[in-house]
Amino acid sequence: EDQVTQSPEALRLQEGESSSLNCSYTVSGLRGLFWYRQDPGKGPEFLFTLYSAGEEKEKERLKATLTKKESFLHITAPKPEDSATYLCAVGALTGGGNKLTFGTGTQLKVEL
Amino acid sequence: GAGVSQSPRYKVAKRGQDVALRCDPISGHVSLFWYQQALGQGPEFLTYFQNEAQLDKSGLPSDRFFAERPEGSVSTLKIQRTQQEDSAVYLCASSLVLSTDTQYFGPGTRLTVL
Repeated sequence: EDQVTQSPEALRLQEGESSSLNCSYTVSGLRGLFWYRQDPGKGPEFLFTLYSAGEEKEKERLKATLTKKESFLHITAPKPEDSATYLCAVGALTGGGNKLTFGTGTQLKVEL
Repeated sequence: GAGVSQSPRYKVAKRGQDVALRCDPISGHVSLFWYQQALGQGPEFLTYFQNEAQLDKSGLPSDRFFAERPEGSVSTLKIQRTQQEDSAVYLCASSLVLSTDTQYFGPGTRLTVL
């Protein structure tokens, strides 16, 4: 059974204080690892897809990396508008690769 | 173009009532997914369509849950005889062609069963 564990559950940062969110996964053949951002009362917003170990992707203050067992979402010099819940999900090669298995998310709060 | 839209955004039902939740995917997207998100949890897969064909319904929690996409575009998730444990946010997502493409989510329907 595919599993995704995210840590920490919650993170409070000061504006400009860089940090990393962790996503550990077990999957029977990784099709892709996905990062989403979710604001309260809204649906998940796509950020990145990573397909193979060693791959990295960046977008503004966010950088996602992938190993064979985990992914990190690095946040550099965060701003209050980066406050949200960050969700990690995996898609498996088995079963037609049609469903995502999500972690429970990391709730990030960036304060002035 | 427009993103995935869902209606209603909020639904309150009395226990035992039937409800229908609608999803309009991004125009041209072939694949459509339904997920259930409980408070403080990540979304959980319910079912998947490719065009009008329902290819995976392994996540539907009981036979009270039924989904359809008769013309390969709009989809409806129906819950019969709602129970309190059905209270959650129901999210719809669509992807361009292959089921392996990135899934784009709608805003969700928050269902509260009293």
